[in-house]
Amino acid sequence: DGGITQSPKYLFRKEGQNVTLSCEQNLNHDAMYWYRQDPGQGLRLIYYSQIVNDFQKGDIAEGYSVSREKKESFPLTVTSAQKNPTAFYLCASSVYLGIDPFFGQGTRLTVV
Amino acid sequence: AQKVTQAQTEISVVEKEDVTLDCVYETRDTTYYLFWYKQPPSGELVFLIRRNSFDEQNEISGRYSWNFQKSTSSFNFTITASQVVDSAVYFCALSEGQGAQKLVFGQGTRLTINP
Repeated sequence: DGGITQSPKYLFRKEGQNVTLSCEQNLNHDAMYWYRQDPGQGLRLIYYSQIVNDFQKGDIAEGYSVSREKKESFPLTVTSAQKNPTAFYLCASSVYLGIDPFFGQGTRLTVV
Repeated sequence: AQKVTQAQTEISVVEKEDVTLDCVYETRDTTYYLFWYKQPPSGELVFLIRRNSFDEQNEISGRYSWNFQKSTSSFNFTITASQVVDSAVYFCALSEGQGAQKLVFGQGTRLTINP
């Protein structure tokens, strides 16, 4: 089945530790995105990638880093510089930039 | 600047009632796209519809219908004869122009359908 896989579904980390969230897609989509969702709020764009080896900052990129070494994969690292990392993180992909993003099931990160 | 407002934070209705979720948007572009997504308790966002700014025809898909009115910058979503499975958070979103790099989301409306 084609889709987007985010792992793990739940993640706990101690404050000050970096953590990497996985996002893999087998839809052959060129564009991939990371969004953050906080309670009672809509989604906000962290990073996006239009093509392999290229990515751009979104609205709230501070404290995050990404890589796009393979078309299928777009991992997100939440660094210790992110002031409030506890949130629900959603990865998405689309055939090309801006068109009908298809979302994964999300990773809920809790930093204690 | 683009903005999407979903003024209804939470709505609760009894099964079989009709319910309308409001969405008001702001944009300076003449070319833009509007979306609705459903987020069930499992967390993923499920795509429901995309509308471009040049197509104001209303859309109906089963029990779902959408009313797009450029004059009032609104893109409202109606569920007819609601069912418990419709319970979810619904997001309206806006994307400006072709190939825009992001969707701007509203705050979401939590819809609860009670049996």
